[in-house]
Amino acid sequence: AQKVTQAQTEISVVEKEDVTLDCVYETRDTTYYLFWYKQPPSGELVFLIRRNSFDEQNEISGRYSWNFQKSTSSFNFTITASQVVDSAVYFCALSEAGSGYSTLTFGKGTMLLVSP
Amino acid sequence: NAGVTQTPKFQVLKTGQSMTLQCAQDMNHNSMYWYRQDPGMGLRLIYYSASEGTTDKGEVPNGYNVSRLNKREFSLRLESAAPSQTSVYFCASTPRRGQGEQYFGPGTRLTVT
Repeated sequence: AQKVTQAQTEISVVEKEDVTLDCVYETRDTTYYLFWYKQPPSGELVFLIRRNSFDEQNEISGRYSWNFQKSTSSFNFTITASQVVDSAVYFCALSEAGSGYSTLTFGKGTMLLVSP
Repeated sequence: NAGVTQTPKFQVLKTGQSMTLQCAQDMNHNSMYWYRQDPGMGLRLIYYSASEGTTDKGEVPNGYNVSRLNKREFSLRLESAAPSQTSVYFCASTPRRGQGEQYFGPGTRLTVT
């Protein structure tokens, strides 16, 4: 079974629209970390955020915000007033205490296309 | 700081040829990783090295070998390349395994014909 599910394969929006990227995870550990990464068309992977399982506060960074809900095992990512430069593939990832935090398990990614 | 560097950036191999992908980091990180990225599959872990002197298999280790040469360098070897190994390969490192964000190299695009 997938440990990290990003059900949205591709999302297309028009500039200035708000968009939410979904991430649902599965773990038996009570202690874990969740991450979001961005992969723009140039190909590099850029770290966006890390959240530990004990911190359910939502976080906002400029136009980006993250909603962590342990009750639904979700860690969703919202971009407000999207811009063309937001076009990228976005990956959600999980690191678990049970594995000694040795590895990250990535979702399959959501491709976001923002058109002018 | 160069961060994580990978060589080569592009490579074309014929089936059965061997090659080594090189990765180095200058951030004094303990843990290093090799991933492959295929369309629609996300990033899948091939091998990792939690610390200098140790290596472990990831999700898709078959057909690959690794060497943690020292704290800085972690190489990935394909002994007999197959078309199924056509992919983009990323190396990553982290100072605190799993708890910290991973820093990624620019990737190597490998085509096996």
